[in-house]
Order: sequence, then C-alpha cells, then structure tokens
Amino acid sequence: QVTLRESGPALVKPTQTLTLTCTFSGFSLSTSGMCVTWIRQPPGKALEWLALIDWDDGKYYSTSLKTRLTISKDTSKNQVVLTVTNIDPVDTATYYCARIVDNNYLDFWGQGTLVTVSS
Amino acid sequence: QPVLTQSSSASASLGSSVKLTCTLNSGHSDFIIAWHQQQPGKAPRYLMKVEGSGNYNKGSGVPDRFSGSSSGADRYLTISNLQFEDEADYYCETWDTDTRVFGGGTKLTVL
Repeated sequence: QVTLRESGPALVKPTQTLTLTCTFSGFSLSTSGMCVTWIRQPPGKALEWLALIDWDDGKYYSTSLKTRLTISKDTSKNQVVLTVTNIDPVDTATYYCARIVDNNYLDFWGQGTLVTVSS
Repeated sequence: QPVLTQSSSASASLGSSVKLTCTLNSGHSDFIIAWHQQQPGKAPRYLMKVEGSGNYNKGSGVPDRFSGSSSGADRYLTISNLQFEDEADYYCETWDTDTRVFGGGTKLTVL
C-alpha cells in the first residue's frame, strides 16, 4: 500500500527558509523508475508543480522557482526533503508530495500540509 | 513547453452526464494527460490517464461512471450518472522531459 505524508512548520516568517519533508511507504526511491514530486496549491487557486527527484538522484525544478528550491532524498529513511528559501506571503499554500513511476503521471498523493507565511 | 487549458467551471444535474475538456497547446497535441479529482477540503486523487489515441487507463477504485477520450489536442473526462460526491475540482496534468504542468482546473457543480 503506497502512502505519502508531508510534514513541516505550519507558520513561517517572511525571508526565512521553509523545509518540508515527505515520508513515504509502499515503494523505494532506489527502485528504477521511481520519482517523488512536490506540488503546491495557494488557497482557492490551482495546483502548481514545484520539483521532482528520481531514483537516480536526477533533480528537476519549476523554471519560475528554481533559484529558491532544493530537493533531496534520504533513501534509507524513505524521505524526500524540499527547501524553499527567502519565503514570502505569496508562498502561503498547501504543499503536497506525490509519487511518479517511469516518468508518467502522479499516481499517489499525500494529504498535504498547509504552510502560512506571515510575520 | 506544454500548456493545458481548462474551462473554469461546469455544471450538470444529478444523474446526468458531463464532459470536461483539457486542451493541449500547439506542438503538444499528442501528449498523454492525467485527470485528477479534488473534492472540497481534500487532497487530489488520480483518476486516469488519457492518450492521444483515446485510450484511457483508470486508477484503482475509480468508478465505472468515469471514462476518458480524445480528439486532436483535446482530452476529455466524461462522468455519467452524476452523483453529489462528484462535485469537485478536476485538474489535468501532463509532463515533458524535465517539467510537469497542470491545467487551471474545472470546478464541477452538481445541481
């Protein structure tokens, strides 16, 4: 059974660095073809893709946000970490992680974690 | 890079059918897309992938009422015998070598 769960701070101050962790089970990121990706959704708005990491440690980022994003994995802990630097109130959103197999569609989503950016 | 366009809203009556559209931009009309459903207050859920040929492949547990199809650059999600629980936002997704793209979503209201 594939599950993913996001964790991180609910409230972050502007200019700080946001660190989010995706803990998953039911698959291994060391298996060929496996990927984990991050997506966010501002309140009342559409989904926005952020970053992806694959089994081979390939890393891909949204063009508009790539200077502020870093994605990494700890295969032994079944975790993927996303950091967002220089956080701003416009970054207030629910952040989701999800699984991708063989560079196809997102087939399993986490429940999401709401991050509010405010001083 | 691929771009996906969706109507912002749609509505249909309980028990009827509705067809939602996701349109790929020029140069990407052969891309595969996926449909995701997001019920109010919940995380998105994968429904199905739809190929340019019209073939579709549903996720586990997706009711038979849900089906997919294609025509040119358009990818469709058809929901038959609409239920109140189908009232949700529906997003299409596609991907290229180094990027993922979502459509703006369609808010479906069941009357």
